[in-house]
Amino acid sequence: NAGVTQTPKFQVLKTGQSMTLQCAQDMNHNSMYWYRQDPGMGLRLIYYSASEGTTDKGEVPNGYNVSRLNKREFSLRLESAAPSQTSVYFCASRLQINTGELFFGEGSRLTVL
Amino acid sequence: AQSVTQLGSHVSVSEGALVLLRCNYSSSVPPYLFWYVQYPNQGLQLLLKYTSAATLVKGINGFEAEFKKSETSFHLTKPSAHMSDAAEYFCAVSAQGGGGADGLTFGKGTHLIIQP
Repeated sequence: NAGVTQTPKFQVLKTGQSMTLQCAQDMNHNSMYWYRQDPGMGLRLIYYSASEGTTDKGEVPNGYNVSRLNKREFSLRLESAAPSQTSVYFCASRLQINTGELFFGEGSRLTVL
Repeated sequence: AQSVTQLGSHVSVSEGALVLLRCNYSSSVPPYLFWYVQYPNQGLQLLLKYTSAATLVKGINGFEAEFKKSETSFHLTKPSAHMSDAAEYFCAVSAQGGGGADGLTFGKGTHLIIQP
């Protein structure tokens, strides 16, 4: 049972570099999310996709872009990484918008030097 | 808009003692409420959820929580702590029926420490 799969699990970048975090779910969920987790801050929503073909900003979208490639996949892109983006990133999904619990991936730890 | 306040960033209890983790929420519409657990270097795992059925909700690993609308609370309890319960716990709220950004709004987390 794969559930939500994120790649890569670890990444180190230099300031100004770009990268894409990949996320895929195999539960036929409609809604997908990207969160970041920082010590003492809990989880904060970056972007979400209520359904295939739509994306919307969350609480902390600046410096990020997303793509809902298809129903299964939702990627997060950092165009020009900054040290403030050092964090653990979690992808999550649920059956549909505003219902039920989120199912989380195992996280991607990103360090920006 | 919703918000969650978890009282105590760290809670320490002795093995075998009662665990009580506090969560208060704010929501302009009837909420769904959740507790998640995170073990080191892992993702978040659902412990239990309240979705407007029974106010006392039982979850995995012997945890339960009670929804109290009058107190806007959803505290997590376990009668007897086990060493394996040491982890980070997050309370989260979601608005029923939509409105505003989607997703869950999380509290800042409570680190549960179990003393032998």
